[in-house]
Amino acid sequence: GEDVEQSLFLSVREGDSSVINCTYTDSSSTYLYWYKQEPGAGLQLLTYIFSNMDMKQDQRLTVLLNKKDKHLSLRIADTQTGDSAIYFCAETHTGGFKTIFGAGTRLFVKA
Amino acid sequence: KAGVTQTPRYLIKTRGQQVTLSCSPISGHRSVSWYQQTPGQGLQFLFEYFSETQRNKGNFPGRFSGRQFSNSRSEMNVSTLELGDSALYLCASQKGQGGTEAFFGQGTRLTVV
Repeated sequence: GEDVEQSLFLSVREGDSSVINCTYTDSSSTYLYWYKQEPGAGLQLLTYIFSNMDMKQDQRLTVLLNKKDKHLSLRIADTQTGDSAIYFCAETHTGGFKTIFGAGTRLFVKA
Repeated sequence: KAGVTQTPRYLIKTRGQQVTLSCSPISGHRSVSWYQQTPGQGLQFLFEYFSETQRNKGNFPGRFSGRQFSNSRSEMNVSTLELGDSALYLCASQKGQGGTEAFFGQGTRLTVV
């Protein structure tokens, strides 16, 4: 079946690193994404990783993929108050024609 | 280039009415997906259209329907509205086949009273 699970809340102090975790069930997933949603806005793609990769780094963002455990994580270095938002993990596979989203992790950044 | 445009941004309807929401994808994108976002259920997939054909459908009742036009613009319709249909409806635009980056619109916030 298709399912993507995330923890619902994460609270960190400004300047610390945040790690948001996600597990998925579809072993045929080809693309795995992290989206950010700020209040009143749509979803913004932060980064994505192909299933044949195990790590991707983009400035303050690091994505780690463990295919064996079907576990995806997003690390935000030097977290800022502007990073406070809901972060969605999502997966899709070629030919599936739909993207499955997790419930979202609400990140609180304390000054 | 222009992003994904959803209209209207906000809508208030009463129970039993019907509503039509519109989505204009990014120019050149042929795939449009619709999602319902509620606090309790998160983001739920409604359906996906590509070149005017519905390729996949989520687990929603038949009151939810959609279509796509030859210019790739898409509409979704909800008939006989219920209070539980109150949600943010998001549209996502992709170039083509599933598995490519999806760009989202700002959404239409529907409130059913």
